[in-house]
Amino acid sequence: AQKITQTQPGMFVQEKEAVTLDCTYDTSDPSYGLFWYKQPSSGEMIFLIYQGSYDQQNATEGRYSLNFQKARKSANLVISASQLGDSAMYFCAMREFMEYGNKLVFGAGTILRVKS
Amino acid sequence: NAGVTQTPKFQVLKTGQSMTLQCAQDMNHEYMSWYRQDPGMGLRLIHYSVGAGITDQGEVPNGYNVSRSTTEDFPLRLLSAAPSQTSVYFCASRLDRGNTEAFFGQGTRLTVV
Repeated sequence: AQKITQTQPGMFVQEKEAVTLDCTYDTSDPSYGLFWYKQPSSGEMIFLIYQGSYDQQNATEGRYSLNFQKARKSANLVISASQLGDSAMYFCAMREFMEYGNKLVFGAGTILRVKS
Repeated sequence: NAGVTQTPKFQVLKTGQSMTLQCAQDMNHEYMSWYRQDPGMGLRLIHYSVGAGITDQGEVPNGYNVSRSTTEDFPLRLLSAAPSQTSVYFCASRLDRGNTEAFFGQGTRLTVV
């Protein structure tokens, strides 16, 4: 079963508008972490925002916020006031604990294109 | 302020050749890992290390070896390259086992012909 699901292969948004990128996850572990990464065309992975499963408030980092709905197992990324530089691939990831460590489990990604 | 450094950035191999992808970090991080990125599949864990001398397999370890003789370095070895190993490889490190941010290298684009 897929652990992280990003149902939107691609999204378009008008510059200066807000956009929501969807992410749902599946875990039976009560303690987990959710991450969003941005991958521009240059290829590097850029950390955007983190939400812990026990955090009471939704995480925010500048123009990025995470809409965390624990009961629905969703962790959507909201980008406010989109900019042309936001055009990139966005990955949702969940930290999954293993016996000796943990790993990031990634979704397939959503390509965001910001139109001027 | 180097962070995580991967070399090379690009590589073309012939089927059956071996090579080592290098990864070094200067943040004194315990955890290091290797992922591969394939279209439509996100990133998948190949191998990881929780400290010098300790490594373990991820979800797609076949065809790859790792070792961790120092805290700083975590090389990934392809023993006998196959076209199925054509991918973009990322090395990542983070401070500890908790929910800390993972820092990624720039990636290595490998093509096996």
